[in-house]
Amino acid sequence: KAGVTQTPRYLIKTRGQQVTLSCSPISGHRSVSWYQQTPGQGLQFLFEYFSETQRNKGNFPGRFSGRQFSNSRSEMNVSTLELGDSALYLCASSSGGDGTEAFFGQGTRLTVV
Amino acid sequence: DQQVKQNSPSLSVQEGRISILNCDYTNSMFDYFLWYKKYPAEGPTFLISISSIKDKNEDGRFTVFLNKSAKHLSLHIVPSQPGDSAVYFCAATLSGTYKYIFGTGTRLKVLA
Repeated sequence: KAGVTQTPRYLIKTRGQQVTLSCSPISGHRSVSWYQQTPGQGLQFLFEYFSETQRNKGNFPGRFSGRQFSNSRSEMNVSTLELGDSALYLCASSSGGDGTEAFFGQGTRLTVV
Repeated sequence: DQQVKQNSPSLSVQEGRISILNCDYTNSMFDYFLWYKKYPAEGPTFLISISSIKDKNEDGRFTVFLNKSAKHLSLHIVPSQPGDSAVYFCAATLSGTYKYIFGTGTRLKVLA
């Protein structure tokens, strides 16, 4: 069974640009959540989607947005990039039921210059 | 406000001995807890979880203990192996959601 796939693995963008990251969950999983990891703030929850609906949202500005498609694949978008958005962005998928764990992809390393 | 804390940034243990990693939380609403292992530039790998209706869960060399009254959980690795060297994160959530609140991590080094 294939794991969680995130593309691209590495990305370099210029301040002010926008970026879209993609996540393909494990087959059959309906929940996709996104996290940001930085040295200063650790692993922080961005948002979670289940069956194309945003179920939870973290404390990030509106520049961070996401969506989920009918095949459970998800994208997150960051507009008007700032230097502080440089981070490892992680996607996790789960079946969506109680008492089940989330499985993480390898992440997308975004560098904003 | 850090709701989940791992107060030891690092831990060194001799191969074959027990590794004990600790985690404290403040929100009594959390009812599902997880441990993940992470290598640099990779995503976290799920290790073990525990529901608040239990106080212990075992999976091979890994055991997680939960003390609800103290709002404390710990991960025991016995015996520790050099391949266990990584950063370990605990996470807490409300069961049925995937909004994980992560601790800051503990870097474990297992010495051969």
